[in-house]
Amino acid sequence: NAGVTQTPKFQVLKTGQSMTLQCAQDMNHEYMSWYRQDPGMGLRLIHYSVGAGITDQGEVPNGYNVSRSTTEDFPLRLLSAAPSQTSVYFCASSQGATRQPQHFGDGTRLSIL
Amino acid sequence: EDKVVQSPLSLVVHEGDTVTLNCSYEVTNFRSLLWYKQEKKAPTFLFMLTSSGIEKKSGRLSSILDKKELSSILNITATQTGDSAIYLCAHPYGSSNTGKLIFGQGTTLQVKP
Repeated sequence: NAGVTQTPKFQVLKTGQSMTLQCAQDMNHEYMSWYRQDPGMGLRLIHYSVGAGITDQGEVPNGYNVSRSTTEDFPLRLLSAAPSQTSVYFCASSQGATRQPQHFGDGTRLSIL
Repeated sequence: EDKVVQSPLSLVVHEGDTVTLNCSYEVTNFRSLLWYKQEKKAPTFLFMLTSSGIEKKSGRLSSILDKKELSSILNITATQTGDSAIYLCAHPYGSSNTGKLIFGQGTTLQVKP
């Protein structure tokens, strides 16, 4: 069982470039989320989805877009990368909402120069 | 605004020591409190606490919730170098059935041989 798979693992971008971070899960989970992790700040929610076709903003959505066309995939798009978006990005999924723990991918380490 | 605060932010101990990590929360509608361990990559689930006073145990790790004090502790006895990690506390927030989590800043534990 692969669980939650994120690609790429590492990426370096120049300011202004765009890119898509991929996330796929094979557990048929309804709920998927994107978090960013910065030193001393824990994980902060960027966007989330409660099912295919339904997405909404989290705590820190500015500069990011998401879509959820299938249950399995939840890509995160950086429209015009900025140095402030240098971070480690985690995708997570869960079956239930509040009563089920989330499963995390291994993360994408992104540097914006 | 929901908030989760962890203390201490970092801790250095020697193998064999016992440690206690703290998590306090201010949330609008308590549902559950989750503990995760993060080594080099993805956070991995440790415990979900929903009822006050009931201890959850897994080997040398245990956790308990105190709803009166709005807090939880994670205990690790007879620490080993493999316990070195970031320990994260989280709470589901927002309307029900969204899968959103709010995290504390994390406690970085280093266990020296």
